[in-house]
Amino acid sequence: QQQVKQSPQSLIVQKGGISIINCAYENTAFDYFPWYQQFPGKGPALLIAIRPDVSEKKEGRFTISFNKSAKQFSLHIMDSQPGDSATYFCAADAGGTSYGKLTFGQGTILTVHP
Amino acid sequence: SQTIHQWPATLVQPVGSPLSLECTVEGTSNPNLYWYRQAAGRGLQLLFYSVGIGQISSEVPQNLSASRPQDRQFILSSKKLLLSDSGFYLCAWVSGRGPPELFFGEGSRLTVL
Repeated sequence: QQQVKQSPQSLIVQKGGISIINCAYENTAFDYFPWYQQFPGKGPALLIAIRPDVSEKKEGRFTISFNKSAKQFSLHIMDSQPGDSATYFCAADAGGTSYGKLTFGQGTILTVHP
Repeated sequence: SQTIHQWPATLVQPVGSPLSLECTVEGTSNPNLYWYRQAAGRGLQLLFYSVGIGQISSEVPQNLSASRPQDRQFILSSKKLLLSDSGFYLCAWVSGRGPPELFFGEGSRLTVL
């Protein structure tokens, strides 16, 4: 029940295209859903996050779509650029005594071809 | 501004040797601190977390231990390394207030031979 399932494992898109990464969860106690971006040899960096009281959040070219009833959320990267090539992780936090103890998806390796 | 430092960045150790990875946070006080491990091609697994000095919680039974001797210092240790301890170890902090936005260090890559 603590799992967050992420797909696809890898994704190749052309420059200017849309990258879409999906995540699903079971634990209804999760109330905070961040996405992290990780470049090779570096630590993950927070990209964007959403609470379940909204269905969408947009920051620049990055958008989170959230479907509470389906227990799914996704990251959309518009106008994908080669510099977006990285590993992306979705995560979830249940708050309370689990505050900060993120459950991560397995990651998606995104490659954007020029 | 807050910063987080991890060292060493890279470590190659023989099986059975001890381990000490250090993490320090600057620019904040009383943070929650975390150790995660990332195996090759895998997601991040929470190993330990701490809400204060001397307060350590373990998430998975294993060959590792953690300590927090000072407010902004978090140490990951092992007395005898196993091959399976190889991986990328990440320290992270969160303020403990507001959204749980974790900030990660640059990581320590451990190879056990």
